[in-house]
Amino acid sequence: AQSVTQLDSQVPVFEEAPVELRCNYSSSVSVYLFWYVQYPNQGLQLLLKYLSGSTLVKGINGFEAEFNKSQTSFHLRKPSVHISDTAEYFCAVSDIGDADKLIFGTGTRLQVFP
Amino acid sequence: DSGVTQTPKHLITATGQRVTLRCSPRSGDLSVYWYQQSLDQGLQFLIQYYNGEERAKGNILERFSAQQFPDLHSELNLSSLELGDSALYFCASSVASGNYEQYFGPGTRLTVT
Repeated sequence: AQSVTQLDSQVPVFEEAPVELRCNYSSSVSVYLFWYVQYPNQGLQLLLKYLSGSTLVKGINGFEAEFNKSQTSFHLRKPSVHISDTAEYFCAVSDIGDADKLIFGTGTRLQVFP
Repeated sequence: DSGVTQTPKHLITATGQRVTLRCSPRSGDLSVYWYQQSLDQGLQFLIQYYNGEERAKGNILERFSAQQFPDLHSELNLSSLELGDSALYFCASSVASGNYEQYFGPGTRLTVT
């Protein structure tokens, strides 16, 4: 069965500093990978996704992620964060043969301080 | 605003009761997904409908059921409610089935007392 591990439940960082949110997945088959963001009292919004091709994926709001098949990781990065990036971030995986079923990680709370 | 609407925003009910949550997908989207977000279980996929037919099923309890109507709106029915059913229930929609972007609604917060 697939699973997603987000290694950090909370990541505090100062504004304009770089950040990396870690995500590892477990699957016996090929997968699609996603990062979603959830702002307070809102639904989830897709940041970026990896389906195939280049392992470096660029998303909205200056975020990017790199798919590493050998390490089964899909870490999210941003070179310089803003206060407005404060939110909950979820990594998700789906089996390419069952793409509608998203399996989510437990989330990482990114707190950006001035 | 994702274009997905959910009603009601909040719902408080007692154990043993039954409730219905409603979702209207984005205009033109044929797929509707239901998710449950709770502190205990995190964000879990419940069920997906595509153009009126059930397409995929996740960790949905037998006490829960859903349907998608001809106008493509969907309802999630939760019965014999237990305290543990208290959660945020999200609906999402996508244009089709497969690896298409899912657009999430703002959620319905259910509190069972």
